[in-house]
Amino acid sequence: KQEVTQIPAALSVPEGENLVLNCSFTDSAIYNLQWFRQDPGKGLTSLLLIQSSQREQTSGRLNASLDKSSGRSTLYIAASQPGDSATYLCAVSRTSGTYKYIFGTGTRLKVLA
Amino acid sequence: EAQVTQNPRYLITVTGKKLTVTCSQNMNHEYMSWYRQDPGLGLRQIYYSMNVEVTDKGDVPEGYKVSRKEKRNFPLILESPSPNQTSLYFCASKKTGGPSNQPQHFGDGTRLSIL
Repeated sequence: KQEVTQIPAALSVPEGENLVLNCSFTDSAIYNLQWFRQDPGKGLTSLLLIQSSQREQTSGRLNASLDKSSGRSTLYIAASQPGDSATYLCAVSRTSGTYKYIFGTGTRLKVLA
Repeated sequence: EAQVTQNPRYLITVTGKKLTVTCSQNMNHEYMSWYRQDPGLGLRQIYYSMNVEVTDKGDVPEGYKVSRKEKRNFPLILESPSPNQTSLYFCASKKTGGPSNQPQHFGDGTRLSIL
C-alpha cells in the first residue's frame, strides 16, 4: 500500500534562506507527483506537477525534483519570503487512468521577517 | 473566474440527520473528487468521478455517497452522519483530456461538525 511521508512536519526559517522540503513514497509505481500549498482556512493551490518520466519542474523560485527509484521528491524554495509561509503538501497519483491520489501530511513552513 | 465552489463552508449538525455538501466547477472538467482532511492523517480520498455517471471509491468511502448527474456538479451525501465524520472536506476537479500535466483545482473547503 502506497504511503507518503513528509519530513519535517514543521519548519521555521529566517527570510531569504533557501530551503528544501522533502516527500518520500513507498511504491515507485506512480503516474505523477504534485506539490501543493495550503493557506489557513483555504483550499489547496497547485504549485508544480511532475510526470513520472520527468526529473524536475521549475516555476519561479520553486523547483521540484523527482527520483522515482529512491521514492523521493524535493521542493526547493529559493530566497524564501514571509509570504511563502503555508503548509506544503505532496501527493502521488497511482498508475495511469485511475486518478487516485495519496497525500502526505504536509510540512508547515514559517518564514520569519 | 475559474473556480470550484463548495457549499456550505461551515455546518454543525447532529448524528443521523442526512446532509448534502454541494460542489460545482465552471471549468468543464471531466474529473471531480472529494477528500477529507484530518489532523495527523492528511487528505484522504473519499470518492472520485471520471465523468458524468462514472464514480468510484477512494480510500475512505464508508458512510458517504456521491452522484454525478451533470458534469459541473458532484455532491457529497452523508445519509446518516456520525461524529467520526467530523472533518474538513475538499472538492477538487481536473481536466483529463489534452496534455497530461493538468493539476487539480480545489475548493475552499467545508468544515463539518457532527455532534
